[in-house]
Amino acid sequence: ILNVEQSPQSLHVQEGDSTNFTCSFPSSNFYALHWYRWETAKSPEALFVMTLNGDEKKKGRISATLNTKEGYSYLYIKGSQPEDSATYLCARVGNQFYFGTGTSLTVIP
Amino acid sequence: DTEVTQTPKHLVMGMTNKKSLKCEQHMGHRAMYWYKQKAKKPPELMFVYSYEKLSINESVPSRFSPECPNSSLLNLHLHALQPEDSALYLCASREVPTGRTYEQYFGPGTRLTVT
Repeated sequence: ILNVEQSPQSLHVQEGDSTNFTCSFPSSNFYALHWYRWETAKSPEALFVMTLNGDEKKKGRISATLNTKEGYSYLYIKGSQPEDSATYLCARVGNQFYFGTGTSLTVIP
Repeated sequence: DTEVTQTPKHLVMGMTNKKSLKCEQHMGHRAMYWYKQKAKKPPELMFVYSYEKLSINESVPSRFSPECPNSSLLNLHLHALQPEDSALYLCASREVPTGRTYEQYFGPGTRLTVT
C-alpha cells in the first residue's frame, strides 16, 4: 500500500485570493502523479499528468509542480473563483492508482 | 465522447436485496475499474478488468460480484450487503496498454445506502 497524503484537508478562501495545497507520496520507484478535480455530484476530471522531476504544468489559472526526489507535488490556483470550488485529488500511479483523501476547496464570493 | 455513465445515481437497498450497478463507456477503453469511496477517505480500488477479463480483485467480499459483459459495459452485482457497505461507488476506464500518462476517466458514481 502506498500512502498518499494531501494537505490541508479543507480550505476556504476569498474570491481573488491565490492558494496552494500539497500532495505527498513515497518517492521510491516513482512512475507518475495525476491530479484530478472533483466537483460535487460530478465525475472527477483529470487536471494534470506529471511524470518527470521538476515538471511544471499549467492550465489557465491552475498550475502544478512535481518533486519526485522528495515525494511531493504542489497545486496552485491563482486568483481563485467560485467555480474553482471542488475537491482536488492526487493519485500516485504504480500498478494501480493510489489516491489521497483530497483537499476540499471552497471559494467564497 | 469522453463520458463514463453510471446508473443508478442513488440506490437504497435492504440487506437481503439483490441489485446491480451499471457503468458504460464508449471511448474504446479496454481497462475498467470499480472503486469504493467512504466519506473523507480516498477512493479504494475494488476490481480491475482488462480486455474484459478480471485482472485485479482487491480481496473484495464475495457479496460484491463484478461482471464485464463486453468492452463498453461493467456491472457490479450486489447481494446480502451490510450497512457498512454504504458508500459512493465509482467506475472508471482507461486506455490499454496502461501507460503512465494515461488518465482515468470517471463516472459520477452511484451513492449506495444499505439499510
